[in-house]
Amino acid sequence: NAGVMQNPRHLVRRRGQEARLRCSPMKGHSHVYWYRQLPEEGLKFMVYLQKENIIDESGMPKERFSAEFPKEGPSILRIQQVVRGDSAAYFCASSPPTGNTIYFGEGSWLTVV
Amino acid sequence: GQQLNQSPQSMFIQEGEDVSMNCTSSSIFNTWLWYKQEPGEGPVLLIALYKAGELTSNGRLTAQFGITRKDSFLNISASIPSDVGIYFCAGQEVAGNKLVFGAGTILRVKS
Repeated sequence: NAGVMQNPRHLVRRRGQEARLRCSPMKGHSHVYWYRQLPEEGLKFMVYLQKENIIDESGMPKERFSAEFPKEGPSILRIQQVVRGDSAAYFCASSPPTGNTIYFGEGSWLTVV
Repeated sequence: GQQLNQSPQSMFIQEGEDVSMNCTSSSIFNTWLWYKQEPGEGPVLLIALYKAGELTSNGRLTAQFGITRKDSFLNISASIPSDVGIYFCAGQEVAGNKLVFGAGTILRVKS
């Protein structure tokens, strides 16, 4: 049973470019969460999605960041016009409909140069 | 938003010693989860707690969901070098399924 799959694992972007991070949840999981982790810090909630629906985006920056979880395909976290401060590890997690056991992927490390 | 206070911030212990860390919250949670993260990896779920007062073990790890639903602790017995990492507590909010994380406890083990 495959776990939460994230890609790419590492991504380098120049300032002003776009970054797209993908997440495929565990089989049978319909809920996806995105978290950001800065070096030497904990995990900060960004957004919580179900298929075709954003449940809670209270942790998403107001500009440049968006997330989707379409009916078919992986969840996408999109960062437009990246800046150096966007450099971080972005973790996706998924849970079943009950939502009470949440498993994380191995993360996508974004470096903005 | 809700805040989780996790302590201690870091620990440097001798191999074989027991370890204890805890988290407290200003609000109640439905679920407490404990994760371990190693460098360059994602958090790995260690123990999940679903009921107030619940005490659960996973090998040398033991965790409890506090009676007040506002706290949890994690104990590691007889530590070994591979226990090194960052341990995070996480509470699941009553309204919605969002996980709120503590700042982490960095564990280092001297062999």
